Amino acid sequence: EAQVTQNPRYLITVTGKKLTVTCSQNMNHEYMSWYRQDPGLGLRQIYYSMNVEVTDKGDVPEGYKVSRKEKRNFPLILESPSPNQTSLYFCASSLGVGPAKNIQYFGAGTRLSVL
Amino acid sequence: DQQVKQNSPSLSVQEGRISILNCDYTNSMFDYFLWYKKYPAEGPTFLISISSIKDKNEDGRFTVFLNKSAKHLSLHIVPSQPGDSAVYFCAATRSFNAGNNRKLIWGLGTSLAVNP
Repeated sequence: EAQVTQNPRYLITVTGKKLTVTCSQNMNHEYMSWYRQDPGLGLRQIYYSMNVEVTDKGDVPEGYKVSRKEKRNFPLILESPSPNQTSLYFCASSLGVGPAKNIQYFGAGTRLSVL
Repeated sequence: DQQVKQNSPSLSVQEGRISILNCDYTNSMFDYFLWYKKYPAEGPTFLISISSIKDKNEDGRFTVFLNKSAKHLSLHIVPSQPGDSAVYFCAATRSFNAGNNRKLIWGLGTSLAVNP
């Protein structure tokens, strides 16, 4: 089954404790992206990756890191989480660029609380 | 600056009737538009899309209409079913811009409730 898998689904942590949210897709997609969703602000892009070893900042990259060492995985790293990073996070992937290829498929989400 | 706007945060319709969800955009360079549906505790799922070369696209009970001159698109669901109750997001992109990451620009969503 084609899917985007995020782990963990729920996470409660404390300020400053490094954490990683994993994302894996089995569709051989080139493009992957991380979003956060906050009330009244919608979906905002954090980082994206056009292909292996190619990553770039989205709209709200501060406090986050990503890596793309292999095509299927795109982990989101919070080196020193802060309470303002409490949010609902989504990973997404798509075939690539151009119409239809840009249809993004989403993981189920990770709800993060930073105390 | 919200480039994609869904001005109705919520909508309630009766089962069997038509649901019309609206979306406006400001960037005339957008050339591909998508609708996503999101249930609680799940990620958004792709519903239907339309290219700017068309003004209508249909898939079963779902039809998307695009009015480029008005920079407006709408999603029609006919007939509406209780299982359609979800948040619907409109998204837009510039699909052929080589200098852009072709990211999707999202609206804030409309929560649809279909009452039995």
